[in-house]
Order: sequence, then C-alpha cells, then structure tokens
Amino acid sequence: QITLKESGPTLVRPTHTLTLTCTFSGFSLDPFGVGVGWIRQPPGKALEWLALIYWNGDQRYSPSLKSRLTITKDTSKNQVILTMTNMDPVDTATYFCASSAETDGYYYLDYWGQGTLVTVSS
Amino acid sequence: EIVMTQSPATLSVSPGERATLSCRASQSVTSNLAWYQQKPGQAPRLLIYLASTRATGIPARFSGSGSGTEFTLTISSLQSEDFAVYFCQQYNNWPLTFGGGTKVEIK
Repeated sequence: QITLKESGPTLVRPTHTLTLTCTFSGFSLDPFGVGVGWIRQPPGKALEWLALIYWNGDQRYSPSLKSRLTITKDTSKNQVILTMTNMDPVDTATYFCASSAETDGYYYLDYWGQGTLVTVSS
Repeated sequence: EIVMTQSPATLSVSPGERATLSCRASQSVTSNLAWYQQKPGQAPRLLIYLASTRATGIPARFSGSGSGTEFTLTISSLQSEDFAVYFCQQYNNWPLTFGGGTKVEIK
C-alpha cells in the first residue's frame, strides 16, 4: 500500500523560508522510473505543479518559481524535501506531495498525500 | 507552458445520468493526459492516465477519450460519491500543468 504524508509548519512569516517534508511508504525512490513531486492549491483555486525529483536525483521545477525552490531526497529515510524561499501571502495554499509513475518516459502523478495547509502571514 | 482549459466550470447532473467533461490543451499533448477527482478537504485521486487508461480500483463507469488537444472524461451513470471537482493535467511537456477544474454538482 502506497502512502505519502506531508509535514512542516502551518504558519510562515513573509520573507521566511518554508521547508516541507514528504514521508512515503510502499515504494522506494531507488528503482528506475519513480519520482516524487510537489503540487500546491490555494484555497478555492486550481492545482499548481511545483517540482519533481527523479529516482536518479534529477530535478524539474516550475519555471515561474524555479529561483525559489529546491527539491531534494533522502532515499534511506524515504523522504523528499521541498524548500521555498522568500515566502509571500500569495503562497498560502495546501501543499501536496505525490508519487510519480512513468510510462514511455513520461511521468504522471499517481498517489497523493493528504496535503498540508501553509498560511503565510505576519 | 501548455494551458489546459476545462469546460464547463460547473456541471449540474442528476444521479444516474451521464456526465461529460471536456479538457482542451493549447498545443498537442499526444495522449499524456490524466484526470483527477477531488472531494472537499481531500487530496486529488487519479482516475485516468494516458488519456484513457483507468487507474487501479477506478470503476468502469469512468472513461476517458481523446488525443492531441481535445479530451473527454465521461461518467456513465453518476453515483452520489461522484459529485466532486475534476481536474485534467498534461504531462507531455514541462512544466506539468492542470486545468481549472469542473465541479460536478447535484441537479
């Protein structure tokens, strides 16, 4: 059974850095074709993809947020970490992590965590 | 960046009826298109990937079709648990992009 769970602060001050951890079970980031991504959803709005890290450590980022994001993995702990710098109230959202499966070299998001609401406010 | 446009924004359907949801891409995404269902306060659930392949455990009343720029999600006979918001997402090009969602509500 594949599960993912996000953890991190619920409140972040403007200009500060957000660090979120995705802890997963039921799969490993070792095998070829596996990845873990981060997606966010502002209240009442649509989903926005942020970043993805592959089994081999390669990373992909949303171009509009690339300068603020870093995604890393700790395979031994089954964790993926996302940091976002210079937080702003517009970054208030529920942040999800999701596992990513591969077909013919293309990655879709299959299993999702429950999400964690992050509020940016002074 | 590929823009995904979903229509309608809201669909009012009676239980037992068919629902047809549309998703259009601003350029071809071949068949690299997924559909997700999201209920209030919950994470999205993968329904369909590769435009028409049902994910594990998804009932047969959910079906996907299309390729290139035009895609459709059909729910053949709406059950009470199907009233939710549905998102499409392309994974053919980076960045991954989602549509704005279609809310399926009880008529």
